[in-house]
Amino acid sequence: EVRLVESGGGFVQPGGSLRLSCAASGFTFGDNAMHWVRQAPGKGLEWVSGITWNGGRTFYADSVKGRFTISRDNTEKSLSLQMSSLRAEDTALYYCVKDKGSIAAYLDYWGQGTLVSVSS
Amino acid sequence: DIQMTQSPSSLSASVGDRVTITCRASQGIRNYLAWYQQKPGKVPVLLMYDVSTLQSGVPSRFSGSGSGTDFTLTINSLQPEDVGSYYCQDYNSVPLTFGGGTKVEIK
Repeated sequence: EVRLVESGGGFVQPGGSLRLSCAASGFTFGDNAMHWVRQAPGKGLEWVSGITWNGGRTFYADSVKGRFTISRDNTEKSLSLQMSSLRAEDTALYYCVKDKGSIAAYLDYWGQGTLVSVSS
Repeated sequence: DIQMTQSPSSLSASVGDRVTITCRASQGIRNYLAWYQQKPGKVPVLLMYDVSTLQSGVPSRFSGSGSGTDFTLTINSLQPEDVGSYYCQDYNSVPLTFGGGTKVEIK
């Protein structure tokens, strides 16, 4: 059974930083690209960032480019998102998501999400 | 970047009705289109990919069609458990892009 368990969310002031983590199990982690997708309260889905199977390429939405950094550790079967210079508009539920492919394709498994709240 | 426009943004239909949701891409995306269902308070779930291939376990009342820039998700015979939001997603290129979503309710 594929499991994706996020952690690291919380309350932070504007300009602050947070590091999200995702622990993966139930599949060969190093075979698949991984992504972070967020959902602001009452809003739709927004793709945030993705990383290829071996970490060789990373991708970011324009809204977070230069502020967020995605990384992965295939040995530890973990995905991370380092978030800095946080803004109120970054407030959302952040999902760790498994890609069907090795680069960027459709998203076949989602974690339960971790909530990030940015407010003064 | 590709933009994905979904319509309608919400709809209300009766149990047993046929429901159609459309998704338009700002440029051709070949057949790299997926649909997700998000029930109230739940995590999104993959419904189908490559336009019309149902993910394992998805009821056959769901179907997809289209090509290029215009795509459709159809629910034949709407059921109470189908209530929720539906999102299309393009994976022809990065950034991955979601449509704005369609909220489906029972009349």
